[in-house]
Amino acid sequence: GDSVTQMEGPVTLSEEAFLTINCTYTATGYPSLFWYVQYPGEGLQLLLKATKADDKGSNKGFEATYRKETTSFHLEKGSVQVSDSAVYFCALETNQAGTALIFGKGTTLSVSS
Amino acid sequence: EPEVTQTPSHQVTQMGQEVILRCVPISNHLYFYWYRQILGQKVEFLVSFYNNEISEKSEIFDDQFSVERPDGSNFTLKIRSTKLEDSAMYFCASSESAETQYFGPGTRLLVL
Repeated sequence: GDSVTQMEGPVTLSEEAFLTINCTYTATGYPSLFWYVQYPGEGLQLLLKATKADDKGSNKGFEATYRKETTSFHLEKGSVQVSDSAVYFCALETNQAGTALIFGKGTTLSVSS
Repeated sequence: EPEVTQTPSHQVTQMGQEVILRCVPISNHLYFYWYRQILGQKVEFLVSFYNNEISEKSEIFDDQFSVERPDGSNFTLKIRSTKLEDSAMYFCASSESAETQYFGPGTRLLVL
């Protein structure tokens, strides 16, 4: 079945460091890919998405490119801030209406000043 | 910006009791979902709902769970006889089509 694999955390960085969180997927067909973020004590917020191969999603300085050849959707940010500390979830949806999102296990990011 | 809302934010109940979790999806959305997240674990799909019926459900969504859209705005998840292992954060989500799902802030359920 479809699945998402994320790098294990936690990831601990200093402010202004470069961030990469790896995400790979297994899916039949051509899924849409998402990154959601969960700040401490809060719900899930959509961070960015890409719906087809080679699309780049971006938001708040974060970027991820849909790579069909490597079945990956790695999250990157050039300079992290303390306020980026959160849990990041990679997810896929198989583009059928009403279909479940399949989430990775989540990666905890901790940024210190 | 429209958002999904959920009530209550926290619910504490005794094992064996029934609970109803409520959600108000974004008003023009047609697809509704429930997910749960047990503390420290991944977010898991429970059920999706479209056109007044369940369109997909997971193995977790057994006979003790049910969903309903009792009126034009609310979407509810009922757990008939709660178990300790039902303790989790429950998220409601909605989407306009097969595109992006928008999540509510969640209801934290604690079963004692």
